[in-house]
Amino acid sequence: ETGVTQTPRHLVMGMTNKKSLKCEQHLGHNAMYWYKQSAKKPLELMFVYNFKEQTENNSVPSRFSPECPNSSHLFLHLHTLQPEDSALYLCASSPGQPNTGELFFGEGSRLTVL
Amino acid sequence: GESVGLHLPTLSVQEGDNSIINCAYSNSASDYFIWYKQESGKGPQFIIDIRSNMDKRQGQRVTVLLNKTVKHLSLQIAATQPGDSAVYFCAENTGYSTLTFGKGTMLLVSP
Repeated sequence: ETGVTQTPRHLVMGMTNKKSLKCEQHLGHNAMYWYKQSAKKPLELMFVYNFKEQTENNSVPSRFSPECPNSSHLFLHLHTLQPEDSALYLCASSPGQPNTGELFFGEGSRLTVL
Repeated sequence: GESVGLHLPTLSVQEGDNSIINCAYSNSASDYFIWYKQESGKGPQFIIDIRSNMDKRQGQRVTVLLNKTVKHLSLQIAATQPGDSAVYFCAENTGYSTLTFGKGTMLLVSP
C-alpha cells in the first residue's frame, strides 16, 4: 500500500456523462497531483495542488476540473469527455513543494470514454 | 517535445543477470533525476534518485549513474529477479517538483 487511494479503479462513461475521480492520501502530505497515463505516451502532469492551492495547470482542457477541499483529498471532475481522454489517471502526493521528486502514486483510475 | 526519453522500449533478461536501463535527457537545469518502477495494474513506485551534483548513487541492488557530459542516466539492477519485471521510467525534476517522465522501458525477466 502506498498510502494513496484512488476510486473508482475503473470507470466507463459516455461523452455526455458527468463523473468524478477521487483521491485520498493518508501520508500527511501537503502536495497532490493528477497525472494522465496514455498508452505509448509518457506520464503527463495535469494539475498540482500545494496546501490546497492550485499551483500548476498544465494546459488541461476545461472538461477536466480539479478540486482540492483539503490537503488529504483531491478530485477530478469529468464532463463532456472525448474518446481520446480514455487513459489511466494517476493521483500522487508529496510532502510539499518543492521536493526532490519522490512522488507517492495511487494505483490509478482506468477511464474509458465511449 | 519531451526532454526525457529512453533508448530501448523492451529489455529481456534471464533471472540472475544484471540489467541496465538507459535514459537520455536534454534539460541541463534539471536538479534531480529519478527512477520509477511500474508493475502491471499499479501506479509508479519510486526506486532511487540522484542529484545533479553526483555521478553515482547506490541502493539495494540498484545503482543509478549520471553522466552530465552526455546527458545520460542509467539504472543498473543487480541479480535481476522475476519480481523486477515492470516498466521503468526515468524522470527529471527541474527543481520545483514538476517531473518530466520518459516513455518507459519494459523489463522482462525470465526464470
